[in-house]
Amino acid sequence: DQQVKQNSPSLSVQEGRISILNCDYTNSMFDYFLWYKKYPAEGPTFLISISSIKDKNEDGRFTVFLNKSAKHLSLHIVPSQPGDSAVYFCAARGGTASKLTFGTGTRLQVTL
Amino acid sequence: GAVVSQHPSWVICKSGTSVKIECRSLDFQATTMFWYRQFPKQSLMLMATSNEGSKATYEQGVEKDKFLINHASLTLSTLTVTSAHPEDSSFYICSAVGERHQPQHFGDGTRLSIL
Repeated sequence: DQQVKQNSPSLSVQEGRISILNCDYTNSMFDYFLWYKKYPAEGPTFLISISSIKDKNEDGRFTVFLNKSAKHLSLHIVPSQPGDSAVYFCAARGGTASKLTFGTGTRLQVTL
Repeated sequence: GAVVSQHPSWVICKSGTSVKIECRSLDFQATTMFWYRQFPKQSLMLMATSNEGSKATYEQGVEKDKFLINHASLTLSTLTVTSAHPEDSSFYICSAVGERHQPQHFGDGTRLSIL
């Protein structure tokens, strides 16, 4: 039972344009969402997070949007840079649990 | 800040060997540490959650006698893969969190190859 889903396994975007990565979840108990970036053979790097009491959080080029009614969140990267090429995972946690449930990841390729 | 160090980064060993992987939080005290496993082109699968000074909580399907976890201090957790076999070959990643409302920070992972 995949509680966090990233339906696009891959995405290609031109440098300078906006990258939009999507994530859907099914567990209404989730109240905190995170995005991580991962390069091969490395651990994930934390990018940005959002609490369920907000619908938007912005940090530099990265903005996360949360639509609780649709159980959907998205990560916007603008402008996209070649160094952004990596696999992006969304993750969620909820209630008293501190453990994260990860999505399956989206591979972003930023082309010149 | 929030640096997590994982060691070793790569291990190759013979079948039947036990392998210990260390995870350290370098600049914060980790109340909770997590151990994940990642298969190629798949997501991170949580294996267990460990809190300092108490027994680890294993996820369903993870053999606790196979994957021994010790969290002896607020900055160190270890995962020991006992009597490793080729099917245990994988990428193992730890993470640590200070307070609950903070994100988990990950180590760089350990590539384990059992011959």
